[in-house]
Amino acid sequence: DARVTQTPRHKVTEMGQEVTMRCQPILGHNTVFWYRQTMMQGLELLAYFRNRAPLDDSGMPKDRFSAEMPDATLATLKIQPSEPRDSAVYFCASGIRLAGRLNNEQFFGPGTRLTVL
Amino acid sequence: GNSVTQMEGPVTLSEEAFLTINCTYTATGYPSLFWYVQYPGEGLQLLLKATKADDKGSNKGFEATYRKETTSFHLEKGSVQVSDSAVYFCALSDKGSGSRLTFGEGTQLTVNP
Repeated sequence: DARVTQTPRHKVTEMGQEVTMRCQPILGHNTVFWYRQTMMQGLELLAYFRNRAPLDDSGMPKDRFSAEMPDATLATLKIQPSEPRDSAVYFCASGIRLAGRLNNEQFFGPGTRLTVL
Repeated sequence: GNSVTQMEGPVTLSEEAFLTINCTYTATGYPSLFWYVQYPGEGLQLLLKATKADDKGSNKGFEATYRKETTSFHLEKGSVQVSDSAVYFCALSDKGSGSRLTFGEGTQLTVNP
């Protein structure tokens, strides 16, 4: 049963600390998305990658957030320094985008619940 | 740009009641339309989808029909169960967005026994 996995599931940290969230996309998927979900803003797209290359990170605060894909099986989202307003659930999703075909389904991980005190 | 508007929640129903959650969209192209469901403490899961006008997506008793003339994709279920309690998201994607999904605000559904 192929699934997107995310670690950690929960993270509590203090303001100013670095936070790293990890995501393992489904094997064979070439597109990875990072979302943030809060009660106030709903679901926001932060960044997404195709074939490990960043395509769009316009939704991400550039001064403190960074997203990378060191290899095809790992995506990371880092916040440095973290702030209380970063408290949210962060979701990773993966999908397949093939040339000449349209397949837009995204498969979501269980999320990382981040609390910054 | 693309946008999705869902009916405001929360929605509270009794078991076996009929469910409708309205969704309308604005898109520059010919989008694919989706309903995702999020159960408490979990990520979003695809519930159903439709890729062209007049297509009907269906799954687990839920249905939605792609209506191009009214730019709508309303979610319906004839008889809801307590286990359907969740947040439902309408979303769209078109060729120009390159796999990106535009989500609605989400509608919280609570079904009481």
